[in-house]
Amino acid sequence: EAQVTQNPRYLITVTGKKLTVTCSQNMNHEYMSWYRQDPGLGLRQIYYSMNVEVTDKGDVPEGYKVSRKEKRNFPLILESPSPNQTSLYFCASGQTAANTEAFFGQGTRLTVV
Amino acid sequence: DAKTTQPTSMDCAEGRAANLPCNHSTISGNEYVYWYRQIHSQGPQYIIHGLKNNETNEMASLIITEDRKSSTLILPHATLRDTAVYYCIVRTQGGSEKLVFGKGTKLTVNP
Repeated sequence: EAQVTQNPRYLITVTGKKLTVTCSQNMNHEYMSWYRQDPGLGLRQIYYSMNVEVTDKGDVPEGYKVSRKEKRNFPLILESPSPNQTSLYFCASGQTAANTEAFFGQGTRLTVV
Repeated sequence: DAKTTQPTSMDCAEGRAANLPCNHSTISGNEYVYWYRQIHSQGPQYIIHGLKNNETNEMASLIITEDRKSSTLILPHATLRDTAVYYCIVRTQGGSEKLVFGKGTKLTVNP
């Protein structure tokens, strides 16, 4: 089954404790992206990657890192999480060719206390 | 990418057609209209997209006006499971691939 898998689905952590949210897709997609969703602010892009070893900042990259060492994986790293990074996070993937849609993971609800 | 305007919320009776409008008056010639929906904090789900012709798939129909300044997503027989936030997005193919989500329309399907 074609899917984008995020782990963990839920995470509560403390300020400053490094964490990684994993994202994996099994559709051989070139493009992958991370979004965060907050009440009243909607979905905002954090980082995206057009292919292996190619990453770019989205609209809200501060406080986040990503890597794209393999085509299928695109982990989101919070080196020193802060409470304002409490949010619902979504990973997405897609082909970069024309006329295609993006596939989203089920989300990771992160709480930083 | 062109901006879109959608009503904040809409209601529809179960079994009836749901017609969700979207204005994109600044759309340019190479920009596609995409529709996604999000059911209660799940990941957004792709519904349909088009450039200028009307499109239909197993989920919905997309009607784009001739001047391309507006479109309508039609769910022909809405069910309770169609209750969701529906996003209309306009973007250029082959660009940054970034989907810019607005606030969308909260569709509530009532029994």
